[in-house]
Amino acid sequence: DAKTTQPTSMDCAEGRAANLPCNHSTISGNEYVYWYRQIHSQGPQYIIHGLKNNETNEMASLIITEDRKSSTLILPHATLRDTAVYYCIVRSGTASKLTFGTGTRLQVTL
Amino acid sequence: DTAVSQTPKYLVTQMGNDKSIKCEQNLGHDTMYWYKQDSKKFLKIMFSYNNKELIINETVPNRFSPKSPDKAHLNLHINSLELGDSAVYFCASSQTGQGPDTQYFGPGTRLTVL
Repeated sequence: DAKTTQPTSMDCAEGRAANLPCNHSTISGNEYVYWYRQIHSQGPQYIIHGLKNNETNEMASLIITEDRKSSTLILPHATLRDTAVYYCIVRSGTASKLTFGTGTRLQVTL
Repeated sequence: DTAVSQTPKYLVTQMGNDKSIKCEQNLGHDTMYWYKQDSKKFLKIMFSYNNKELIINETVPNRFSPKSPDKAHLNLHINSLELGDSAVYFCASSQTGQGPDTQYFGPGTRLTVL
C-alpha cells in the first residue's frame, strides 16, 4: 500500500472548517484513500473514503486531486469533540490491513 | 447495541502469565482483525480472519494465538506474557464484498504486564 504524509499537528477554531491535507504521491490506480480518527483512548473511528471523486457524508468531505496524489479531509464546522488524531490511509483490496501512520493531531480550540 | 465489543477493557497481569482477550461483533461481518497500539501510539495489524480462516498474520510471536470459534468472535490468547506486550489491543470487523470494505473498531483492551 502507498505511503502517506500528513502534518504532525494542526489547530482549528471551533465553528470553523478544518482542512486536513494528505500526500500520497505513489498511490496506485486501484487504491482507495481512507480517513480514520482516534479520539483519546478510544478505538479508531471510520470517517470517509474515496477513489477518484470527491465524497461527502454526515461527518466530513473528502477532496481528492485529479492526479490522486493528494487529498484533503474537510470537517465543515469543527467542534471541540473533533479534537483527535486523524489518519489518512491508502489501501487496496478487500479484507486487507489498514496501515496507520503517525497521523495529524487536530486541536480544536474555543 | 454495541457493534464491536471487547472484554476486558483493562487487564493487569504479571509476566509469564497466560491471558485472553475476547472480541465480539454483532454487525454480521465476515472478517475480523486484531491491531496493537504500543506506548508510542503506533497502531499495527496483528491478525485477520475471514470466515474463521486466518488470512493475515503479521510477524507476531507465536505466543499470540487468535481463535475464531465463529464469524462473530475473534479471541486473542497470549501465552507467557512479557513486559513488551503491554499495549492497547483493538479488535475490528468488516464485511468483504465487491467493493472496498470498511473496518469498524472496538473500544480497545489496555493490557499492562508487570
